[in-house]
Amino acid sequence: QVQLVESGGGVVQPGRSLRLSCAASGFTFSSHDIFWVRQAPGKGLEWVATIWYDGTNKYYADSVKGRFTISRDNSKNTVYLQMSSLRAEDTAVYYCAKAPVFYSETSGWGPEYYFDYWGQGTLVTVSS
Amino acid sequence: QSALTQPASVSGSPGQSITISCTGTSSDVGGYNYVSWYQQHPGKAPKVMIYDVNKRPSGVSNRFSGSKSGNTASLTISGLQAEDEADYYCSSYIGSSTYVFGTGTKVTVL
Repeated sequence: QVQLVESGGGVVQPGRSLRLSCAASGFTFSSHDIFWVRQAPGKGLEWVATIWYDGTNKYYADSVKGRFTISRDNSKNTVYLQMSSLRAEDTAVYYCAKAPVFYSETSGWGPEYYFDYWGQGTLVTVSS
Repeated sequence: QSALTQPASVSGSPGQSITISCTGTSSDVGGYNYVSWYQQHPGKAPKVMIYDVNKRPSGVSNRFSGSKSGNTASLTISGLQAEDEADYYCSSYIGSSTYVFGTGTKVTVL
């Protein structure tokens, strides 16, 4: 069955760095775009970053652009989120999620535009 | 990109129907037929209930349905059950592999 397991969360001081990991199993990892979505305590969901199935393209929310870097290692079925210059407002549960893919006769394989599986999340607390 | 606007709370009695709105702009909800809805119980990960405005994933009850008109999408839960009590979030694709979520709605079953 599909599994996404996040790790690497914890308490970190403002201005420091932290790397989150998302280990995937149960599907053809190298065929799927992967996302990070976060949720501050008691707040709503916020899309953070996207990485394409092959790692060639990456996209970020304005709130993290220039501070966070998403990457993936398809040989290890793992996606990473390197977070630097952390701020108190980055405190949140960080989820990784995947998008399904579909096949079209005209355009071949492509992503669907929603999140079909999510991990359980990892809590990042930025505090002195 | 601003969050999509949802009512903070919606409530209904068991067996009733409720509708949650999700209002955006022509750059998000109105511009793409890629609105999805997620159910989140306390302390749990979100679960997709509707995608592509009105499609239900396998295993999701047909009591859940979605629609869209202009810049506003809606999620309707019919035959409300106690297990439907949760937070619900809409999301819209906004191009270039980026997304925006709604502000979230707490559904209470009276």
